[in-house]
Amino acid sequence: AQSVTQLGSHVSVSEGALVLLRCNYSSSVPPYLFWYVQYPNQGLQLLLKYTTGATLVKGINGFEAEFKKSETSFHLTKPSAHMSDAAEYFCAVTNSGGYNKLIFGAGTRLAVHP
Amino acid sequence: GAVVSQHPSRVICKSGTSVKIECRSLDFQATTMFWYRQFPKQSLMLMATSNEGSKATYEQGVEKDKFLINHASLTLSTLTVTSAHPEDSSFYICSGADRSNTGELFFGEGSRLTVL
Repeated sequence: AQSVTQLGSHVSVSEGALVLLRCNYSSSVPPYLFWYVQYPNQGLQLLLKYTTGATLVKGINGFEAEFKKSETSFHLTKPSAHMSDAAEYFCAVTNSGGYNKLIFGAGTRLAVHP
Repeated sequence: GAVVSQHPSRVICKSGTSVKIECRSLDFQATTMFWYRQFPKQSLMLMATSNEGSKATYEQGVEKDKFLINHASLTLSTLTVTSAHPEDSSFYICSGADRSNTGELFFGEGSRLTVL
């Protein structure tokens, strides 16, 4: 069975500071990994995804994540936080290939203060 | 990216009534659609997987007779909450898998159901 663990349900950073949201996964098969962002009362927007190939993936809004198989991690980073980055972030995993269900982590709420 | 439209975005109903939520893929064919439920300040929990033209597969603990899912075409899936009760109040989100884009799901905007 697959699972996702997001360390830290709440993360608070200053505007302009580094953002680091942690995600570890468990999967018995090569995973596809995703980060989604959710604003209040809205659906999910894909930030970035890892499927195959380059382990450092770049997404929208300046976010990036690195797939580290040895550490079973897929941490999300952004060099400089913006006020508009305040939202809920979800890490998710699915089986590689096909149209498989996503298993989500518990989510991390990012707060950005002036 | 592909667009999934979910309707209604908000619905309030009386206890005992049924509510239907629609999920449409606007610019792609969704062979498979997933329905998720999200409680306040919590993650998304998968309720069921539906494949066009066949019965939905429900996750453990999800009542299939309460949450009726129909996926009659490649662009439309519906979730009907039957005989709704206050504990069914939640945020429901659908997602569709684009058959031409392996592995990525596209999410609807979500539907907030409040049962009085």
